[in-house]
Amino acid sequence: GDSVTQMEGPVTLSEEAFLTINCTYTATGYPSLFWYVQYPGEGLQLLLKATKADDKGSNKGFEATYRKETTSFHLEKGSVQVSDSAVYFCALSDPDTGRRALTFGSGTRLQVQP
Amino acid sequence: NAGVMQNPRHLVRRRGQEARLRCSPMKGHSHVYWYRQLPEEGLKFMVYLQKENIIDESGMPKERFSAEFPKEGPSILRIQQVVRGDSAAYFCASSPGTSGSDEQFFGPGTRLTVL
Repeated sequence: GDSVTQMEGPVTLSEEAFLTINCTYTATGYPSLFWYVQYPGEGLQLLLKATKADDKGSNKGFEATYRKETTSFHLEKGSVQVSDSAVYFCALSDPDTGRRALTFGSGTRLQVQP
Repeated sequence: NAGVMQNPRHLVRRRGQEARLRCSPMKGHSHVYWYRQLPEEGLKFMVYLQKENIIDESGMPKERFSAEFPKEGPSILRIQQVVRGDSAAYFCASSPGTSGSDEQFFGPGTRLTVL
């Protein structure tokens, strides 16, 4: 079945540091890929998405590129801020299988220190 | 345009009681999904519903859990005879349902604590 693997946290960075959170996936079809962010005590918000190979999703300075050859969708940001502290989830949907449910990774907690 | 609404935000139940979690999708959305998040884990899919129909319940425990999305009113996730292991955050998401890969919008969640 489909699965998502992302790097374990917590990731602790100083403000303005470069961020990478790795995400790899296994899917039977050609999935759509997502990054969601969860702030403390809140629900998930879609951060960015990509629906086909080589697409780059971007939002609020975050980027991720859909790499089919390496089955990866790593999240990057050039300069993190304290306000980026949150839990980040990589997820996929696999419409080719007829399932609309999202499959999530286990989440990576990011802590940005001033 | 209001987002996905869930209530209650926090629910405390004693073992053996029933828990009812409600979800009102975004306006114009006809598809609802329920996910469960155990402490320090990712979200796990439970069930996917359209109005008056359960489309995919492959993630639902076989016993004690049920879900509905009636023609009128919110979607309900019902847990009978709760046990401590049911303590988790339960998130609802909705989507318009007009394409196979459309975005899901999440509610703030209901945090269930079983004493």
